[in-house]
Formats: sequence, structure tokens, C-alpha cells
Amino acid sequence: AQSVTQLDSQVPVFEEAPVELRCNYSSSVSVYLFWYVQYPNQGLQLLLKYLSGSTLVKGINGFEAEFNKSQTSFHLRKPSVHISDTAEYFCAVRRANQAGTALIFGKGTTLSVSS
Amino acid sequence: NAGVMQNPRHLVRRRGQEARLRCSPMKGHSHVYWYRQLPEEGLKFMVYLQKENIIDESGMPKERFSAEFPKEGPSILRIQQVVRGDSAAYFCASSPVRDRGGTEQYFGPGTRLTVT
Repeated sequence: AQSVTQLDSQVPVFEEAPVELRCNYSSSVSVYLFWYVQYPNQGLQLLLKYLSGSTLVKGINGFEAEFNKSQTSFHLRKPSVHISDTAEYFCAVRRANQAGTALIFGKGTTLSVSS
Repeated sequence: NAGVMQNPRHLVRRRGQEARLRCSPMKGHSHVYWYRQLPEEGLKFMVYLQKENIIDESGMPKERFSAEFPKEGPSILRIQQVVRGDSAAYFCASSPVRDRGGTEQYFGPGTRLTVT
């Protein structure tokens, strides 16, 4: 079985500051890793994903994440946040190389960007 | 190119009534996943369907919940005799193929069910 832990439930930050949202996972099998963003009253939008290859993954809206296999982590970063980045962020895993598997989500991190 | 559509967006039901949630996947997608988001929680998988087939319902409560994805028309998540604990946001996601795990799932805006 897989599980995902998002270490911070809320992250307040000032505009133009850097931010890191932390995610650790547990799995006995290979997994793919995802970050999704959810704006208020909307569905989830994929920010980025790690399947294989380079451990540094770049996504939309200036976000990037680094896969660390030894620490089983997949932290999300942005060097300079905007007010519009205020949203809920979800880290998720999915079993690799197996058809039709569901996403397993963390509980989410609320990013609040203020001026 | 329309995204995943869900309706209604908000649904209020009294205890004991039935709730029907509809999900129209993206054009060309034949795989649908349903997830439930309880307050202060992440999304939890409920069921995975292909057209006319339930592939995995391991996350579905054993009683009162059912899902279908007919050959024509949207996927339906049906909750019979709703209770207050069913109050949640229900999201569906679609994907184009039965992939090996790396294909993106596209999410709809969700249906927020409130049971009074």
C-alpha cells in the first residue's frame, strides 16, 4: 500500500518570497509522483509529475519539484510566489507500471500568499 | 475542447433521500475515476470505471453507494438514503487510456453534497 504525508497543513508567505511545500511518501513498490493545485471551488489541476529520469521536474506556473528516492520525498518549490498562487496543493502518488490505478493523495497544504 | 463536466455543482439533500451525481468525461476519454473529499482531508479514491464496466470499486462503501458508466451518457455516482456523513465534495477524473500509471487524470470541478 502507498501513503502520502504532507508535512505542513498551512503555509503563509509574503508575495515574492520563495516557498517550499513538503511531501513524503511511503510505498513498497515503485510509484509515480504528482502535485496538483486546487483553487477555491474548482477541481484539481496538474502542476507537475515525476515518472522517471531527471529528479528535478519543472511544471506550470513556475513551480518545480525534486524527487529524492533515499528520503522518499517530493517537495514542491517556487522561487517567488504571487498572490494568485494562493490555493490548496496536493501531493499524490500512483503505483507505477500497473494499469488503472488510482491516485493516493496527501491531506493537502494551504498556501496563503499575502502582500 | 470542453473539460470534465460535473453536475450539479451543489446538491442539498435531506437525510434518507437519494443523491445522483453526474460526470461527463473529456471528449475521447473512456475511463472515469470518482474521488471523495471530506472536510480537511485529501481526496480518497472510490471507484474506477470504463464504459459499461466497473474495474475497481475497492474504495466504495459497501452499502448505499453505486456507480455506473453506460455506453452512452455520463457516469453516475448514486448514493441512496444519504446520511450527514456523506456530506463532501465528490470529484470525477477522466483519462484517455488504461495507462500504466503515468497518464494525467483530468479533474472536474466537483459536486458539493450537503446532507441536512
